[in-house]
Amino acid sequence: DAGITQSPRHKVTETGTPVTLRCHQTENHRYMYWYRQDPGHGLRLIHYSYGVKDTDKGEVSDGYSVSRSKTEDFLLTLESATSSQTSVYFCAISEIKSSGGEAFFGQGTRLTVV
Amino acid sequence: GNSVTQMEGPVTLSEEAFLTINCTYTATGYPSLFWYVQYPGEGLQLLLKATKADDKGSNKGFEATYRKETTSFHLEKGSVQVSDSAVYFCALSDSFSSASKIIFGSGTRLSIRP
Repeated sequence: DAGITQSPRHKVTETGTPVTLRCHQTENHRYMYWYRQDPGHGLRLIHYSYGVKDTDKGEVSDGYSVSRSKTEDFLLTLESATSSQTSVYFCAISEIKSSGGEAFFGQGTRLTVV
Repeated sequence: GNSVTQMEGPVTLSEEAFLTINCTYTATGYPSLFWYVQYPGEGLQLLLKATKADDKGSNKGFEATYRKETTSFHLEKGSVQVSDSAVYFCALSDSFSSASKIIFGSGTRLSIRP
């Protein structure tokens, strides 16, 4: 299994509080992604990174920010959590050019905003 | 932009039935195509992939052929088992972009009756 660790695995937080989710990889892959998974929507891309300090928005980036100061870590921050951000969050990594772009996923973080 | 459309579920079949899950895509260039599977409570795992037109990906009895002329990548299995019950996602990535994104379909839930 690819070395991807998400933390925390479960979190309950109150509306209006900031929350940071962490993704850590040991594979030295260039690309890292944050997705959210909701019933009826599949996986939707929040933000992604194509290198240290290089990030870009996905389709549902409003209310989220990311940082990547080291190859191995990709942080997702909810600036002020809302109930609509209750979801399961998945981190993924890939090395596009060498493997045709397949992604490896973490186990997910279940976030509940109350 | 790039997008993936897959048949909506849920799909319920009897054991040993033939399975087809349709997937079509819209993309510029020549994307790589993937099928991922998600078992309950887990992250996504790569099931199979194809990186160029007419390639056939296969794994665990599942197959999918990259059809550029119909922009499709349908998933098939000749005889399903109860253990195949899961959610299946079709996805694509642009293998030639320096800032590539991986885009997923909405997922198809498959349930197999004994």
